[in-house]
Amino acid sequence: DVVMTQTPVSMSVSLGGQVSISCRSSQSLVHNNGNTYLSWYIQKPSQSPQLLIYKVSNRFSGISDRFSGSGSGTDFTLKISRVEPDDLGVYYCGQGTQYPWTFGGGTKLELK
Amino acid sequence: EVQLQESGPGLVKPSQSLSLTCSVTGYSITSNYWGWIRKFPGNKMEWIGHISYSGSTSYNPSLKSRISITRDTSKNQFFLQLNSVTTEDTATYYCARYNVGTSFGYWGQGVMVTVSS
Repeated sequence: DVVMTQTPVSMSVSLGGQVSISCRSSQSLVHNNGNTYLSWYIQKPSQSPQLLIYKVSNRFSGISDRFSGSGSGTDFTLKISRVEPDDLGVYYCGQGTQYPWTFGGGTKLELK
Repeated sequence: EVQLQESGPGLVKPSQSLSLTCSVTGYSITSNYWGWIRKFPGNKMEWIGHISYSGSTSYNPSLKSRISITRDTSKNQFFLQLNSVTTEDTATYYCARYNVGTSFGYWGQGVMVTVSS
């Protein structure tokens, strides 16, 4: 299975600040068709996970441009700018390139 | 707007079977892909499997011998059956619809399942 490693495990941020979350995969996430199926999700307290970013850098419908994804191959990053209170929660990366799909262990974003 | 709602027992005894239903409104399950994901106590998330618009299925090999995902297109529902459960199957179970590629764009609210005698 592809192992997804997220760092840091937790981090604290001031409102209005910027954060970066790293996600590394144990194998390249480039599919045979040339696409890279790396997604980012947030799970806010008492809510279901929500899709933020798909295929590395594409924002899902309704997602603020304060969220941006980048990376290639095995190294990926989620950046959040101008952090707002509603951004707090646990962030996950997930890969859908190779079966079985797998997720990172999560990064908890808290207020400083 | 597509909406998903899981239902099923919150408590299952060890060695028994877990059966969950995902009811979908606003979108036909004969289109797209529909999956099950679970989140364990703590933060670990695991993809369980999916059923396609045509009814074909894919399962996580770690669960393949114990799971079945089926559907009822007349009711616009799909189902998860997990056999021979143990305490390690205690988790919150989510159903979801795929977005572009293999991301999960729409999620149900989740159902917490505890395996305990």
